Amino acid sequence: GESVGLHLPTLSVQEGDNSIINCAYSNSASDYFIWYKQESGKGPQFIIDIRSNMDKRQGQRVTVLLNKTVKHLSLQIAATQPGDSAVYFCAESFGNEKLTFGTGTRLTIIP
Amino acid sequence: GAGVSQSPSNKVTEKGKDVELRCDPISGHTALYWYRQSLGQGLEFLIYFQGNSAPDKSGLPSDRFSAERTGGSVSTLTIQRTQQEDSAVYLCASSLASGGVQPQHFGDGTRLSIL
Repeated sequence: GESVGLHLPTLSVQEGDNSIINCAYSNSASDYFIWYKQESGKGPQFIIDIRSNMDKRQGQRVTVLLNKTVKHLSLQIAATQPGDSAVYFCAESFGNEKLTFGTGTRLTIIP
Repeated sequence: GAGVSQSPSNKVTEKGKDVELRCDPISGHTALYWYRQSLGQGLEFLIYFQGNSAPDKSGLPSDRFSAERTGGSVSTLTIQRTQQEDSAVYLCASSLASGGVQPQHFGDGTRLSIL
């Protein structure tokens, strides 16, 4: 899948710097949150997830923060690389039911 | 191991024709989902199958859309009497959906173009 949007939020980051992508979610009953990376012509690729009983989770070079009070989710990518350039989506769900996706953020890594 | 496989990868058809899109989930995954991604939009939920339970069809946009899942594995999404607004990328995902919440893993989608 490809996401090309005239109004897609964009973020440009110098290679090697850290990036933070933010997301506001809508449903206070959601108990599961997930970040995907989507490259042109590809389907969304799972990056990291977090359950509502946690406020932080770390993976390899990525950290997800969850603030349930203000219904905010963020994805931090450390030491960005050119291969990190893509569109990033947050999504929420209740259990294993359908995901509700945000509009996406296009991240561009500047060499 | 193999990921979610979708076919065809691209489909061009004339308005009014019927189309069938296929999804092969990851082996052993009991939950299967269909989403649609239109140009400039996020992903929109269509339908969800979980084991032998009745599917959640709440996202299907009209009665021209239907889906089935045979033998708890392969799924087919059918669009009858296609319209130009059906043009989009149709994405399938599957998840283990047991032992707690599990991430959905996506295929690369079928890009559908209605002329």
